[in-house]
Amino acid sequence: DTGVSQNPRHKITKRGQNVTFRCDPISEHNRLYWYRQTLGQGPEFLTYFQNEAQLEKSRLLSDRFSAERPKGSFSTLEIQRTEQGDSAMYLCASSSRPGRRTDTQYFGPGTRLTVL
Amino acid sequence: KNEVEQSPQNLTAQEGEFITINCSYSVGISALHWLQQHPGGGIVSLFMLSSGKKKHGRLIATINIQEKHSSLHITASHPRDSAVYICAVRRETSGSRLTFGEGTQLTVNP
Repeated sequence: DTGVSQNPRHKITKRGQNVTFRCDPISEHNRLYWYRQTLGQGPEFLTYFQNEAQLEKSRLLSDRFSAERPKGSFSTLEIQRTEQGDSAMYLCASSSRPGRRTDTQYFGPGTRLTVL
Repeated sequence: KNEVEQSPQNLTAQEGEFITINCSYSVGISALHWLQQHPGGGIVSLFMLSSGKKKHGRLIATINIQEKHSSLHITASHPRDSAVYICAVRRETSGSRLTFGEGTQLTVNP
């Protein structure tokens, strides 16, 4: 257990439905990252927060995806009008070290999304 | 071509064998990470390197910045080492995001 929690751990939904995932980072960490991993591949970066500010977004994050971190603590990732191609493991990670670029990221267990 | 390439993709070893997993990258980096992922998804950070060599227990990680290459070694491998090992880099120009290799599936048989 790294101290980063994600809920739910598994989500099965029908195409076209909206889903929301939650990530609770390690409490003193100010940086929070979302990644997506499809079967047999390495994770791919989606977006990154420093405190409540969303500082980077990948081109993978289409307009159906939105992420928030309203109070600089937990974060949510919402996917609207899900498609079968959204089926993947969604990973959250957090890190600390303000002002440092080389910080260790601590990963949550992931939320596995299956879109039928 | 991926910015981070790992080899081999799959590796099967007998318990006790010395194992090497390689990672090559094609961009300037500020750090390289080795990560371990067990079935079910959880990822654990093993090492973060910006130069030289690090050792933790039976695991050794090295990096050659000039050659843009890193290796992860496991000495006296054990079945509990079976996992996916992932190399990830923090690019000099990409802020905090990590760019990942596709991972190496290691199976250690008793």
